[in-house]
Amino acid sequence: SQQGEEDPQALSIQEGENATMNCSYKTSINNLQWYRQNSGRGLVHLILIRSNEREKHSGRLRVTLDTSKKSSSLLITASRAADTASYFCAPGGGADGLTFGKGTHLIIQP
Amino acid sequence: SQTIHQWPATLVQPVGSPLSLECTVEGTSNPNLYWYRQAAGRGLQLLFYSVGIGQISSEVPQNLSASRPQDRQFILSSKKLLLSDSGFYLCAWSVTGAMVYTFGSGTRLTVV
Repeated sequence: SQQGEEDPQALSIQEGENATMNCSYKTSINNLQWYRQNSGRGLVHLILIRSNEREKHSGRLRVTLDTSKKSSSLLITASRAADTASYFCAPGGGADGLTFGKGTHLIIQP
Repeated sequence: SQTIHQWPATLVQPVGSPLSLECTVEGTSNPNLYWYRQAAGRGLQLLFYSVGIGQISSEVPQNLSASRPQDRQFILSSKKLLLSDSGFYLCAWSVTGAMVYTFGSGTRLTVV
């Protein structure tokens, strides 16, 4: 798999606002995943979007995928303090391991 | 249901000492297993992965080794730790053919 590049590296917003983070990658993929990591914990899978999908929702999360631009975005609506975490994208992937970048560190201010 | 156990949660070891971190998965058979390391301010680095007992693939040459003595057990080892081995070590598993990875809670290793 290839490494995605998350942008921005850090994001601080007020509770209740929406948070948007982006992921860019370099070569064609069959799918892309987003994971969350709370401080000092393991990663938790959030959502997987396939290359034939343009948008996918899960609760307050909305993920888009633009294969022509080789980019994806993760939108968290109505943010909460508990959303404070680092978010990682993982383009492609298989049995030989997912590759992660440095992630976007999201801070939700009360 | 499937669960993944990783221990210990924290570890402080002197330079030159050996290391053994263990990861076990319950509730599934023949999982793909992975070891990652996360150094401060850096992304996750894939260290090893295994698609079956005794099958280990190394992604990065380093001071570490991995073994899979049983189907659901994955061990990360070192004979002599270096300061640069400090970091947060994560074990993960996936079902063969699936793309979603499930991570353990991690081990914070500090080499002093």
